[in-house]
Amino acid sequence: QVTLKESGPALVKPTQTLTLTCTFSGFSLSNSGMRVSWIRQPPGKALEWLARIDWDDDKFYSTSLKTRLTISKDTSKNQVVLTMTNMDPVDTATYFCARIWDGTYFDSWGQGTLVTVSS
Amino acid sequence: QSALTQPASVSGSPGQSITISCTGTSSDVGGYNYVSWYQQHPGKAPKLMIYDVSKRPSGASNRFSGSKSGNTASLTISGLQAEDEADYYCCSYAGSSTYVFGTGTKVTVL
Repeated sequence: QVTLKESGPALVKPTQTLTLTCTFSGFSLSNSGMRVSWIRQPPGKALEWLARIDWDDDKFYSTSLKTRLTISKDTSKNQVVLTMTNMDPVDTATYFCARIWDGTYFDSWGQGTLVTVSS
Repeated sequence: QSALTQPASVSGSPGQSITISCTGTSSDVGGYNYVSWYQQHPGKAPKLMIYDVSKRPSGASNRFSGSKSGNTASLTISGLQAEDEADYYCCSYAGSSTYVFGTGTKVTVL
């Protein structure tokens, strides 16, 4: 059974850096073809894809946010970490991590973690 | 990448069929057969309902079906049930290992 769970601060101040961790089980990111993404959803708004990391450590980012995002993995801990710099109130959202299957769709999702940006 | 365009809301009576459209461009929806659809109930994580335009994962009801024509993909829910009331999002592969989601559609069962 594949499970993913996001963790991180519920509240960050403007200009701070956000660090989120996705801890997963049921698969290994060291196996060929495995990929994990981060996706966010502002309250009452649509989903937005943010970043992806592959089993071979290839990394891909949303064009609009790539200068602020860094994705990394710790295979031994079954974790994927996302950092987002220079946080702004518009970045207030629920942040999800999800496994990507076949590189084309998100087959398993975490429950999400709400991050509020406020001074 | 600009979000894919979906109608803000669609409604139907129990037992009816409804269709949700998802319009993109030749760089995403029209360029790849990698459109997926997700159902999201309030406060919950999205759930995969359709992948690769028209394939249904195990665990998804066979009342859900998908199709695509040109730059527009569609999700059809037949035999509408109260439990289908939720938000629905399309997503397309957009090349260079990137993805774009739709604007979302709220389905209401009358």
